[in-house]
Amino acid sequence: DAKTTQPNSMESNEEEPVHLPCNHSTISGTDYIHWYRQLPSQGPEYVIHGLTSNVNNRMASLAIAEDRKSSTLILHRATLRDAAVYYCILRGGSNFGNEKLTFGTGTRLTIIP
Amino acid sequence: DADVTQTPRNRITKTGKRIMLECSQTKGHDRMYWYRQDPGLGLQLIYYSFDVKDINKGEISDGYSVSRQAQAKFSLSLESAIPNQTALYFCATMDWTGEAFFGQGTRLTVV
Repeated sequence: DAKTTQPNSMESNEEEPVHLPCNHSTISGTDYIHWYRQLPSQGPEYVIHGLTSNVNNRMASLAIAEDRKSSTLILHRATLRDAAVYYCILRGGSNFGNEKLTFGTGTRLTIIP
Repeated sequence: DADVTQTPRNRITKTGKRIMLECSQTKGHDRMYWYRQDPGLGLQLIYYSFDVKDINKGEISDGYSVSRQAQAKFSLSLESAIPNQTALYFCATMDWTGEAFFGQGTRLTVV
């Protein structure tokens, strides 16, 4: 399975944008880039995913590099409730047997009031 | 009610005991997964299933078994629990777009 690399931790001020980076230099052409987050004492929660083009939803934006070897999750205006561990995950999309998520250790995001 | 429900939420058991963790879902998804999370670490895949008759091993299946009794139910068993299986266990489903939905977790302690 292709691997992802994320910083162990990041801090951001409340009400400011946050850019969470992820490197995935061995990504294959059919791998989707997924982001999940895990709040304290909860199960992971889906944030966003994409294949090639940038994606936006109500929670965040996903910016994907043109060569797809890296991506950035953007939280436009961080709140204290965004403090969580954020996981960048590659999901194989080439065949049905690749429909699983392999988690790394993620980035622990701390929001400073 | 939650879309993915795990029972029990907390369990303390003794070494050598057999224990079953249950997961049920109301999402109607074919794909179901069991993960384990140790403190401070990410989730590791134990087993997964794409259909009622389909069972696949994940990264850390030794010491565990699963049963997919119906589309909505996926159970995880520890045949003979040992202390290093103390962890937080998550069940998840996945829809056709690849979005996964996780349960609230089962905190298992083996003493």
